[in-house]
Amino acid sequence: AQSVAQPEDQVNVAEGNPLTVKCTYSVSGNPYLFWYVQYPNRGLQFLLKYITGDNLVKGSYGFEAEFNKSQTSFHLKKPSALVSDSALYFCAVRDSSASKIIFGSGTRLSIRP
Amino acid sequence: GAVVSQHPSRVICKSGTSVKIECRSLDFQATTMFWYRQFPKKSLMLMATSNEGSKATYEQGVEKDKFLINHASLTLSTLTVTSAHPEDSSFYICSARDNRGYNEQFFGPGTRLTVL
Repeated sequence: AQSVAQPEDQVNVAEGNPLTVKCTYSVSGNPYLFWYVQYPNRGLQFLLKYITGDNLVKGSYGFEAEFNKSQTSFHLKKPSALVSDSALYFCAVRDSSASKIIFGSGTRLSIRP
Repeated sequence: GAVVSQHPSRVICKSGTSVKIECRSLDFQATTMFWYRQFPKKSLMLMATSNEGSKATYEQGVEKDKFLINHASLTLSTLTVTSAHPEDSSFYICSARDNRGYNEQFFGPGTRLTVL
């Protein structure tokens, strides 16, 4: 069965500093990995995905994530955080042979001015 | 990118009534759609997988008679919450899978259901 873990409920970063939001996964086949962001009372906004190819994936709003097969991780990163990045971030995984996406528990990112 | 819409965006109803939520893929066809439920400050819980022209597949613990799903066309799936109760109040999000390419899923903006 596929699963995804986000070990941090909350991450606090000062504006201008780099940020990392952690994600590890477990699938039986090749993983399709995703990051989504959710603002209050809104749906999910797609940030980036890894399907195949380069392990470093660049996405929207300056975010990037690195696929690490040996550590089964897909951490989200940004070199310089903005206050507007404050939101709820979800990592998600789909087994290449499965039909459904499973979400992590979410990490609340708080960027202080 | 592909767009998925949900209607209504917000609904308030009385306990005991039924509420229908629509999920539409606007610029692509989706054989498969998914319904998620999100509790406050919690993750998204997959409720069911909706397949066009066939019965939905429900996740363990989800009452199929309570949450009726119909996927009548390649662009529309509906979720009906029957005999709603206050504990059904939640944020419901649908997604539609585009069969082209890598079968990417696109998410709707969500529907906030409040049962009084």
